Amino acid sequence: EDQVTQSPEALRLQEGESSSLNCSYTVSGLRGLFWYRQDPGKGPEFLFTLYSAGEEKEKERLKATLTKKESFLHITAPKPEDSATYLCAVQAGSNTGKLIFGQGTTLQVKP
Amino acid sequence: NAGVTQTPKFQVLKTGQSMTLQCAQDMNHNSMYWYRQDPGMGLRLIYYSASEGTTDKGEVPNGYNVSRLNKREFSLRLESAAPSQTSVYFCASRGGSGGSQETQYFGPGTRLLVL
Repeated sequence: EDQVTQSPEALRLQEGESSSLNCSYTVSGLRGLFWYRQDPGKGPEFLFTLYSAGEEKEKERLKATLTKKESFLHITAPKPEDSATYLCAVQAGSNTGKLIFGQGTTLQVKP
Repeated sequence: NAGVTQTPKFQVLKTGQSMTLQCAQDMNHNSMYWYRQDPGMGLRLIYYSASEGTTDKGEVPNGYNVSRLNKREFSLRLESAAPSQTSVYFCASRGGSGGSQETQYFGPGTRLLVL
């Protein structure tokens, strides 16, 4: 069964304290792994897509990496405005675009 | 370019009432999706439409129906609402297959409370 697990569920950081969020997945035939950011009361906002092991993508203080079993979202020197829930999703197998989401990691960055 | 829009933003229903959630996208995307988001459960796919004229069940389709009205619009209907359908509903769209077209873009959500 295809499955996505994110850890930790919640993470509290001080401003400037770098850390990583984990997304572990088991899927038959990965077509893509997606990271989204979700602010309270809003819809998920797209951040990155990773397609193959070894791939890396960066955007401002965020860097996403991918291995054959997991993805990491590294946050370097976070700011309070980085506080949000970060969602990981995988697309497997067929070309229907069906995504399987993890439960998310809620990040709080204190000034 | 509004992206994906959803109406209404918030709705309260009584058990047994029916309603339709509306979704529209202006990105000329082929595929559209309905998800629900519940605390501790993550986003779960209800129904999707891979292309205009087709619809298929997702992970949690029971109690829902959908209509792909045209390329732009994809509606979700609750025929007889139940308290278990209290949730936040998100619509998403995707251009197609291959590269950046695979990315799904989400609407702002509809918050539904069933009493």
